[in-house]
Amino acid sequence: EVQLVESGGGLVQPGGSLRLSCAASGFTFSDYWMSWVRQAPGKGLEWLANIKQDGSERNYVGSVKGRFTISRDNAKNLLSLQMNSLRAEDTAVYYCYVGPTDYWGQGTLVTVSS
Amino acid sequence: DIQMTQSPSSLSASVGDRVTITCRASQSISSHLNWYQQKPGKAPKLLIFAASSLQSGASSRFSGSGSGTDFTLTISSLQPEDFATYYCQQSYRTPLTFGGGTKVEIK
Repeated sequence: EVQLVESGGGLVQPGGSLRLSCAASGFTFSDYWMSWVRQAPGKGLEWLANIKQDGSERNYVGSVKGRFTISRDNAKNLLSLQMNSLRAEDTAVYYCYVGPTDYWGQGTLVTVSS
Repeated sequence: DIQMTQSPSSLSASVGDRVTITCRASQSISSHLNWYQQKPGKAPKLLIFAASSLQSGASSRFSGSGSGTDFTLTISSLQPEDFATYYCQQSYRTPLTFGGGTKVEIK
């Protein structure tokens, strides 16, 4: 059974940092591009970043470029998102996923507030 | 960035109705268009990929069409479990942008 389990969400102050993790199992993690998507409360989906199978290529949406870093550890089947300089508008549920498939995590909530 | 515009943003329909949702890309994306269904508090579920290919496990009530800039998701006969929000997403070029969503509500 395919599982993607995010962790690392929580409450952080503006300007702070947080590192999200996504533990993958049930499929060959190293065969797939991996992505992060977020959804602010009551809003739509926003694609954030993806990373190639071997980590050699990474892409970001403009709103997080330079602040967020996507990475992966194929030996541990782990995807990560390092988030720095967080702002109130980064408050959202963050999902890891394999696109376009049904392989999605359950999401982890990040709240940026003082 | 490629902008994805969905219409309508919401609609009310009855069980058994045929429902059509449209998605327009700001430039040609060939057939690199996916449709997702999302229910409250849940992760999105892939319905259609490559504009018209039905995802394994998705109901055959769902169909997709289009290429270039204009795409359509059709629900042939709306069922109670279909009341949800639907998103299109282009996978032609990063950033892989989503449409704003269409909320399908019960009339």
